[in-house]
Amino acid sequence: DIQMTQSPPVLSASVGDRVTLSCKASQNINKNLDWYQQKHGEAPKLLIYYTNNLQTGIPSRFSGSGSGTDYTLTISSLQPEDVATYYCYQYNSGYTFGAGTKLELK
Amino acid sequence: EVQLMETGGGLVQPGKSLKLTCATSGFTFSTAWMNWVRQSPEKGLEWIARIKPKSTNYATEYAESVKGRFTISRDDSKSSIYLQMNSLKEEDTATYYCTMGYNNYYWGQGVMVTVSS
Repeated sequence: DIQMTQSPPVLSASVGDRVTLSCKASQNINKNLDWYQQKHGEAPKLLIYYTNNLQTGIPSRFSGSGSGTDYTLTISSLQPEDVATYYCYQYNSGYTFGAGTKLELK
Repeated sequence: EVQLMETGGGLVQPGKSLKLTCATSGFTFSTAWMNWVRQSPEKGLEWIARIKPKSTNYATEYAESVKGRFTISRDDSKSSIYLQMNSLKEEDTATYYCTMGYNNYYWGQGVMVTVSS
């Protein structure tokens, strides 16, 4: 099974900061990776699919990149409404979510 | 507007059965890939089952953790999917979400299932 490791587990940042979240796969997942945002008490929501494709309606401050085993979600300018837990998800071999990065305001 | 709504959750004893329903609207259900994903504090998010459209003969996939115990099905006439859960274990306790699409484009609000004696 492919393991997905997200870092850091918790990230504190200020409004306006550029924020980078990391996701590392235990083997090459060929860019078959999505990012989801889950706000407290809500269902997850798809942000980015296939590494770098922005889902409809998602603000352009969100972007994704990566290849092989290493992937990144970037928020170019953090907004208060971005406080949430972010999950990566691979579907190259089986289907595996990471444990999440909780993003807080400093 | 795409909508997915799960129902049927509740408290059930270990070894018993429960059936979840996900009613949908706002998209062409008959051609959609549909999934069940669950979330618990212990295991986090876990994809558990998928059913594909009629064109694939309603092909299904399951996570190893539920294979042989859970069955996903669909009724295109009702734009709904189902999850029949048998031989439930305490570790099946979770919030269960139905999702639409290969990339889980849309999610329902989730339904809680608690397996406890």
